[in-house]
Amino acid sequence: GQNIDQPTEMTATEGAIVQINCTYQTSGFNGLFWYQQHAGEAPTFLSYNVLDGLEEKGRFSSFLSRSKGYSYLLLKELQMKDSASYLCAVRDKTGANNLFFGTGTRLTVIP
Amino acid sequence: NAGVTQTPKFRILKIGQSMTLQCTQDMNHNYMYWYRQDPGMGLKLIYYSVGAGITDKGEVPNGYNVSRSTTEDFPLRLELAAPSQTSVYFCASSPGRGDGPFFGQGTRLTVV
Repeated sequence: GQNIDQPTEMTATEGAIVQINCTYQTSGFNGLFWYQQHAGEAPTFLSYNVLDGLEEKGRFSSFLSRSKGYSYLLLKELQMKDSASYLCAVRDKTGANNLFFGTGTRLTVIP
Repeated sequence: NAGVTQTPKFRILKIGQSMTLQCTQDMNHNYMYWYRQDPGMGLKLIYYSVGAGITDKGEVPNGYNVSRSTTEDFPLRLELAAPSQTSVYFCASSPGRGDGPFFGQGTRLTVV
C-alpha cells in the first residue's frame, strides 16, 4: 500500500519563501508529483521527480530523496495567487503506475 | 488542444437515478483515470484505463462502471446513485511516463 503525509495547512508572507514537505511510504516507487489546486478548480501539474535531487522550474522547485522517502516543494517570491492547496502524489509501479495522492497542504499567502 | 474535457460541470441526482459523466481528451494519451475528491480527503482513484478496450478498478470502484471504446473517450457510469457518491469527480489523462496526469475541470455531483 501507500502512505503519504503532508502538513494540512501553512501560512506564509508575500515575497517570502515557503517549503512544503511530503513523506511517503510505497512498495513500488516510480516517481513523485506535485500539483497545485486552487479552490473549486482542477489540480494543475507542477513537477515530477523520479531521481534524487532538485528540479527547478521558475519560482517553483521540487526535491526528492528516495532513501528517506521524502520530498519538498519550494516556492520562492511568494505571490498572493500562490494561495492554493498543494498535492503530493506518488506513482506506484505495483499499482499499474497509478498515482496515489496525499490529502494536500493548504497554503495561505498573507500581505 | 483542448486537453481533457468533462461534461457536465454540475449535476444534481436523486437517490436511485443513474447518469454518465463524460470525459474526452485530444492529446492521444493511452492512460486515462477517474478520481473523486471529497472535502479534506485526497483524490481517490475510481477506475483507470491503459488503452482502448482495457479498464481496471482503482481504490474505490464500488457503484461505478467505465468503458473505453476509443483512445479519446472514457465515460464513468453511476448506477443507482447514493448520497455517498456526492463528490467532485475528475477525469485525467497521461502519456504513461514523465509529466502528468493532466486533469479535466471536474464534475460537481450532488445526490439528494
